[in-house]
Amino acid sequence: DAGITQSPRYKITETGRQVTLMCHQTWSHSYMFWYRQDLGHGLRLIYYSAAADITDKGEVPDGYVVSRSKTENFPLTLESATRSQTSVYFCASSWGADGYTFGSGTRLTVV
Amino acid sequence: AQTVTQSQPEMSVQEAETVTLSCTYDTSENNYYLFWYKQPPSRQMILVIRQEAYKQQNATENRFSVNFQKAAKSFSLKISDSQLGDTAMYFCAFSDTDKYIFGTGTRLKVLA
Repeated sequence: DAGITQSPRYKITETGRQVTLMCHQTWSHSYMFWYRQDLGHGLRLIYYSAAADITDKGEVPDGYVVSRSKTENFPLTLESATRSQTSVYFCASSWGADGYTFGSGTRLTVV
Repeated sequence: AQTVTQSQPEMSVQEAETVTLSCTYDTSENNYYLFWYKQPPSRQMILVIRQEAYKQQNATENRFSVNFQKAAKSFSLKISDSQLGDTAMYFCAFSDTDKYIFGTGTRLKVLA
């Protein structure tokens, strides 16, 4: 089915470990985004990408790394997880400003 | 920088009644988009309604409608004939380029 797929849906990891959240879209959308959702903060932009091999920082990029070697994939890596990175992570894609398609989210717990 | 403010952290409404969720935003741009997203307990983000700033007519989608006041930078969501399935978190969002800015959300509970 066409759409945007995030994996895993749930993840528990230990402080200091590296973890990668996966995002795959089949729409061939140019833009892809990573947001984190925290109570009282809504959704905040971590990183985004306008096309393959083009990425840029959002509002809260520290501690995260992204890559986009192919248009359809946009993985998010936490290089050394911290408890403050416990959150729900959403991937989204779009053609432009007029509408996002969201993935179903990854709940990450860092213990 | 653009900002989006949702001043009502929680609201409740009786089934079949009408409720209005508030959203204000700040921008110096003239052309932009505004959105309301619903997030039920399943966590999925569902687009409820979209408004293009250059259109003066308020957007409607079935029981959902907006009151878009461009000069006041206000974008409220009205839900008519509330249903139990409307219980969710609602986010207001703004976009003038390719990135969204979200409000902090309003948790709506529909009471039987």
